[in-house]
Amino acid sequence: GAVVSQHPSRVICKSGTSVKIECRSLDFQATTMFWYRQFPKQSLMLMATSNEGSKATYEQGVEKDKFLINHASLTLSTLTVTSAHPEDSSFYICSARGLGGDTEAFFGQGTRLTVV
Amino acid sequence: GQNIDQPTEMTATEGAIVQINCTYQTSGFNGLFWYQQHAGEAPTFLSYNVLDGLEEKGRFSSFLSRSKGYSYLLLKELQMKDSASYLCAVADSNYQLIWGAGTKLIIKP
Repeated sequence: GAVVSQHPSRVICKSGTSVKIECRSLDFQATTMFWYRQFPKQSLMLMATSNEGSKATYEQGVEKDKFLINHASLTLSTLTVTSAHPEDSSFYICSARGLGGDTEAFFGQGTRLTVV
Repeated sequence: GQNIDQPTEMTATEGAIVQINCTYQTSGFNGLFWYQQHAGEAPTFLSYNVLDGLEEKGRFSSFLSRSKGYSYLLLKELQMKDSASYLCAVADSNYQLIWGAGTKLIIKP
């Protein structure tokens, strides 16, 4: 299957700082990427849908100014958590799907963010 | 609203068979996916069903009944490494994936 690379896998940052998470599709063009957040023992929560060359579509309740998403190319989407707080500590996962609605989603490795 | 239901937790014995059920109510249907997720890792794809019936892939099989809004994942010859969460996801009319909360499967020797 296709490869999606997410970096970093783990990051610890201080409250008030910003953290950038990168998601790259290595062997296919991902016009759409998805960013999820997952709390322990809970399901994936879709945060936003990132479309190449246009603004991301955020789910209800997700702060656009806090979770900045940029999808500047067909192979790269970034999520920046701005002014991070301890409650932002979570597992963030990106996902990319190729063309065609029936295609499976390929996931990045996930990023464990801890804000201290 | 859209809803995916699956059991929270199941326990099975090594070498046995286990069936994990998933029922769904979504606005439109464009396929159902099963994913496996080990703790602290991203989900990995297991299967995709869009037509009714059983899809077999090695030790794992997935079944779909669209009229009943029902699917199951069948795992045979269970191994300790199968201990994980199993996520059911449905692609709705917009092809957006709606995720179930996942079923934590515990395998005992």
